Amino acid sequence: NAGVMQNPRHLVRRRGQEARLRCSPMKGHSHVYWYRQLPEEGLKFMVYLQKENIIDESGMPKERFSAEFPKEGPSILRIQQVVRGDSAAYFCASSPIGEANTIYFGEGSWLTVV
Amino acid sequence: GNSVTQMEGPVTLSEEAFLTINCTYTATGYPSLFWYVQYPGEGLQLLLKATKADDKGSNKGFEATYRKETTSFHLEKGSVQVSDSAVYFCALSVKGRGGSEKLVFGKGTKLTVNP
Repeated sequence: NAGVMQNPRHLVRRRGQEARLRCSPMKGHSHVYWYRQLPEEGLKFMVYLQKENIIDESGMPKERFSAEFPKEGPSILRIQQVVRGDSAAYFCASSPIGEANTIYFGEGSWLTVV
Repeated sequence: GNSVTQMEGPVTLSEEAFLTINCTYTATGYPSLFWYVQYPGEGLQLLLKATKADDKGSNKGFEATYRKETTSFHLEKGSVQVSDSAVYFCALSVKGRGGSEKLVFGKGTKLTVNP
């Protein structure tokens, strides 16, 4: 049973470009979370999704950031017009039932904006 | 609000030394508590957890006890190894929108164990 798969693992973008980060949850998991880890900081919740629904986006910046989890295919975190402050590690996690003690994390996608 | 405070690192120990990483929390209700470990360049791995007061989580020689009276969940290990070098995160669960639970993390404590 494969774990939570994220790609790309490392992404470099110039300021103003778009970044797309993908997350395939564990098999059988229909709940997906995205967290961001800024340098020297802990992880901060961004968004929680179920298939075709955004349930809680209270941690998402109001502009430039969006997330989706379509009926088919991976969840995608999209950052438009990236700025240097977006440089961070973005972690996806999945859960079968949306309970904290069933959350499994992926290995993360490291975004560097130059 | 809900928050987690960890002792600031970095922490440097010699092999076989005793480890304590302090963690205290503020929360409404009775959250579950977690310790996660992050090795260099990797994602987070769940190290141990406790779901109610006085529970002790343990794994790989690490342990932590959920202390409601002191709102603490300190991580301990009796004899650390070089391979324990990593960043350790304390976290608690909170109810989010839509009935789900999400995690609130501390800032992490970097541990380096020297041979």
